[in-house]
Amino acid sequence: GAVVSQHPSRVICKSGTSVKIECRSLDFQATTMFWYRQFPKKSLMLMATSNEGSKATYEQGVEKDKFLINHASLTLSTLTVTSAHPEDSSFYICSAIPQGGWTDTQYFGPGTRLTVL
Amino acid sequence: AQSVTQPDIHITVSEGASLELRCNYSYGATPYLFWYVQSPGQGLQLLLKYFSGDTLVQGIKGFEAEFKRSQSSFNLRKPSVHWSDAAEYFCAVGARYGGSQGNLIFGKGTKLSVKP
Repeated sequence: GAVVSQHPSRVICKSGTSVKIECRSLDFQATTMFWYRQFPKKSLMLMATSNEGSKATYEQGVEKDKFLINHASLTLSTLTVTSAHPEDSSFYICSAIPQGGWTDTQYFGPGTRLTVL
Repeated sequence: AQSVTQPDIHITVSEGASLELRCNYSYGATPYLFWYVQSPGQGLQLLLKYFSGDTLVQGIKGFEAEFKRSQSSFNLRKPSVHWSDAAEYFCAVGARYGGSQGNLIFGKGTKLSVKP
């Protein structure tokens, strides 16, 4: 079946540093990937939609300069949290839609736990 | 505004008992509805989905859900719960916009605990 991986699974960083999270579709090509953020006891909140070869579309309230998204290939999207602060600590989950597919075939990564000290 | 409500934050059931997890949605267009399960350290796994047709849909692991348009609900059910079903369950709604792919809107989740 379709598999989406995320790396790293867990990261701890100091305040002010930048952290890059990778989302890879391992056995399919994905023109669209989504980045979600999950707070404790909260639902997944869409941060941005990442389309291969074009700029990401950010949801209202999400700082595009802080959360840099790059979707340089059909199998890789990256989320970089720049100048991270403790309030950025969260669980970040990506999902990918196979080329030509739709949300019924959206596959989720296992998530990345970010802790900013 | 589009939203998904899961009124139960945490449910505990005995192994072998029946289960129903509630989900209500608010959506302007015809909704496409999903149930996902998330285990600790795991990604979201699709249990079942409803697009159209028969309002009772069958999913994996013995789960089913019924779409009731009049009640704006899409409740998840299982006749006999197993200890391995303990996890977080998310209801989600999505749509297709003019042929392009849309994101999902998630409820806050219901944590299911199973007691022996």
